Parts: sequence; C-alpha cells; structure tokens
Amino acid sequence: AQKITQTQPGMFVQEKEAVTLDCTYDTSDPSYGLFWYKQPSSGEMIFLIYQGSYDQQNATEGRYSLNFQKARKSANLVISASQLGDSAMYFCAMRELSSQGGSEKLVFGKGTKLTVNP
Amino acid sequence: NAGVTQTPKFQVLKTGQSMTLQCAQDMNHEYMSWYRQDPGMGLRLIHYSVGAGITDQGEVPNGYNVSRSTTEDFPLRLLSAAPSQTSVYFCASSYSNPGASEKLFFGSGTQLSVL
Repeated sequence: AQKITQTQPGMFVQEKEAVTLDCTYDTSDPSYGLFWYKQPSSGEMIFLIYQGSYDQQNATEGRYSLNFQKARKSANLVISASQLGDSAMYFCAMRELSSQGGSEKLVFGKGTKLTVNP
Repeated sequence: NAGVTQTPKFQVLKTGQSMTLQCAQDMNHEYMSWYRQDPGMGLRLIHYSVGAGITDQGEVPNGYNVSRSTTEDFPLRLLSAAPSQTSVYFCASSYSNPGASEKLFFGSGTQLSVL
C-alpha cells in the first residue's frame, strides 16, 4: 500500500498567486516526519520544508508553508506569491522512526509537476 | 565541503554487464540510501543503511546489491544489468537523530541506460 499519495500529477498557477499541492500519508507510527522537496528541470533535489508529527505549529520557510492536518493525515504544501522559478516537480515524503528510536527509511510520493504561468 | 558525491554522472551499459555506482559523503551521516527515479513513479527506495555494516532493502531491491563498510561510502552494485534498470539513480544521506529534521542530502544523480 502506498504510504504517500500525491493526487495531482500536474498543477498550473498564475505568477504571483498562491498554490496548494496536496499530500496525504498513511502510517500507524505516532512519531514521523514529513518533507517536501523540489526538483527543477536541472534534476537536483532541493529540500523545502519539514514537519514533525509532534510539532504544534505548521512549518513555514519563506514563501513555503505546510498545512498539516494530523487527523486527516494530510501535509499540503502552500506556495505563496508564485514565481516563474517555482516551476518544477514537487515531492512529498515521509520518514518513520523505528520503535528503537533510530531513523527509518524515507519514502516519496509520485510527485506533482507545477507550472507557473506568466 | 563536498556533501554527497555520486559517480559517474552518466553511464551506458549493455544487458548483462555489471557495474558499481559510487556514493560518498563527508558529513558523517549515519543514514545513506539509494533511490531510482522513473517517469511518473517518483523516487523509489532501492536499499538503505543506518550505519556501517548495516543495510536493508527498500521498495525495489531486486537486481541490486549494497554494502556499507565505512560511514562515508555506500556503493550500489548492478549484478547483471537489464533494460528495466534504465533510470536516474540518486544517492542520499542524513543524520539519524530522532526528533531532528533528518532531511536528506542528495547527490547529483546518475543517468544510467541499459541497452
């Protein structure tokens, strides 16, 4: 069963507008971390934002914010004031902590291709 | 500070050939992993390691071997290359501190074609 689901293969947004990229996850572990990465056409993977399962507040990093709804198991990425350079693939990922307290593997969703129109 | 170094950047193999993709990190990260990226499939985990001498399988381990003899290095071996292994491969590493952000640092990727 897929643990990370990104239901939007592609999204379009006008420059300077906000856009929300959806991500839902599945885990029975009470302790986990959620990540968003950006992959521009150059191919590099760029870390954007992190949300811990016990964090009380939604994470923010500049124009990026994470709308974390724990009960719904969703971790949507909100990009405010979109720029042309935001056009890229965006991946949601989850990391589960092991029962021994050490880190476990990080799994990715299939991604959403965002296109910012001028 | 080199970060995560992956070599080679490009490789073309013939079916049945073997090769090793190299990955090294200089950040003293305990956790290292290999992913493959195929169109429409996202990044799928091949193998990972939580420390020297410890490795485990990910989602798509068949046809690949790994070892972790040192903290710094985590090579990926293709034993007998198949066209289905044509993909972009990423190595990534991170700390393994519970409660930390544990974000992955990625290498620049290897584009592999198997003919």
